[in-house]
Amino acid sequence: AQKVTQAQTEISVVEKEDVTLDCVYETRDTTYYLFWYKQPPSGELVFLIRRNSFDEQNEISGRYSWNFQKSTSSFNFTITASQVVDSAVYFCALVKGSYIPTFGRGTSLIVHP
Amino acid sequence: DVKVTQSSRYLVKRTGEKVFLECVQDMDHENMFWYRQDPGLGLRLIYFSYDVKMKEKGDIPEGYSVSREKKERFSLILESASTNQTSMYLCASREPGSNTEAFFGQGTRLTVV
Repeated sequence: AQKVTQAQTEISVVEKEDVTLDCVYETRDTTYYLFWYKQPPSGELVFLIRRNSFDEQNEISGRYSWNFQKSTSSFNFTITASQVVDSAVYFCALVKGSYIPTFGRGTSLIVHP
Repeated sequence: DVKVTQSSRYLVKRTGEKVFLECVQDMDHENMFWYRQDPGLGLRLIYFSYDVKMKEKGDIPEGYSVSREKKERFSLILESASTNQTSMYLCASREPGSNTEAFFGQGTRLTVV
């Protein structure tokens, strides 16, 4: 069975702070994909990034960066200089052979002005 | 612009009513999913469909059924609505394969009174 754990239920920061959202996963497969999605208050989950299990290169996209470490089964997401518009629920997900995404419980990020 | 459209944003139904939640996607995706989202529990899979007329139970199928008569439409049916089915319902679609992201609808917030 596969599992995704987002231990942080809610994080509250002040604008311009850096914040890291943790994602730890469990799977016995060697081939899989990891995803991050953002769910703003409007409700629709939006895809942010995917990473396959053979690519441990970190990725940066503007203020967003992702750190994939296979050794610790983690795929953490950092927002640098957070903004109020980053307030949302963020979900980490794992997909392997069954092709059915397994989602974590989500982390609610609140960025205060 | 790719789209997954859910028929209602907000719905209020009475206990015992039969409820239909409709979802339509315009991307010709084979896979479609229904999730419910509750505070602290994240996204839980109710049913999914690999293709037309094909359906599989997810983690919490009790009290629900689905219909997929056409590729673009995936309906979730609450046979006899109960108050514990008050929740946010999210529909998603994606191409088969572990590396493809899911596209989500805006969600239907259902209240059963």
